[in-house]
Amino acid sequence: DTAVSQTPKYLVTQMGNDKSIKCEQNLGHDTMYWYKQDSKKFLKIMFSYNNKELIINETVPNRFSPKSPDKAHLNLHINSLELGDSAVYFCASSQGARPYGGDEQFFGPGTRLTVL
Amino acid sequence: LAKTTQPISMDSYEGQEVNITCSHNNIATNDYITWYQQFPSQGPRFIIQGYKTKVTNEVASLFIPADRKSSTLSLPRVSLSDTAVYYCLVGSYNTNAGKSTFGDGTTLTVKP
Repeated sequence: DTAVSQTPKYLVTQMGNDKSIKCEQNLGHDTMYWYKQDSKKFLKIMFSYNNKELIINETVPNRFSPKSPDKAHLNLHINSLELGDSAVYFCASSQGARPYGGDEQFFGPGTRLTVL
Repeated sequence: LAKTTQPISMDSYEGQEVNITCSHNNIATNDYITWYQQFPSQGPRFIIQGYKTKVTNEVASLFIPADRKSSTLSLPRVSLSDTAVYYCLVGSYNTNAGKSTFGDGTTLTVKP
């Protein structure tokens, strides 16, 4: 059983397109996250939801919009894709809502987004 | 949020003990120190967490000096499969916002 799953695994698209990445966790966790990892391996948090409520919203262009239909799912929609959006996007979950300390995070396999 | 500094890369040989140090000079009283491991094409995976002194689990040990301004992840007798990026994360239960969560990571390469 996959704990945190993401679809698609790879996403290649043209500049200006709109795309979505889906994430699901079957761990029963209350909190889910989206991270962006660039080509230099820097891992940055983008958003976090706790019980469907947005609790972390880092400085991310408003072209990125997370949606959490229930606490097991957190999707990421990206409008008007740009070249700089090319990266690997990771979904993660944790039982608590404290990603900066204390709560072990479980990561998905990542979605490699390439914008041409 | 405490900024962390790690070496960019380290090399080791199979069977050796590897120590990776993370500096966090402005760590707060409530902050915990957590380490994650990331293999190529995979998401990070939790290794170990501690607050002070020494913590040990089946995978690694974490040494934290009394001033807590640094921490050292110790991997005993590494194998080729320990080649990965290791991230140091510092934060507290009260931290709910910040500029970033993970440090820049240390790429460990284990050679035969």
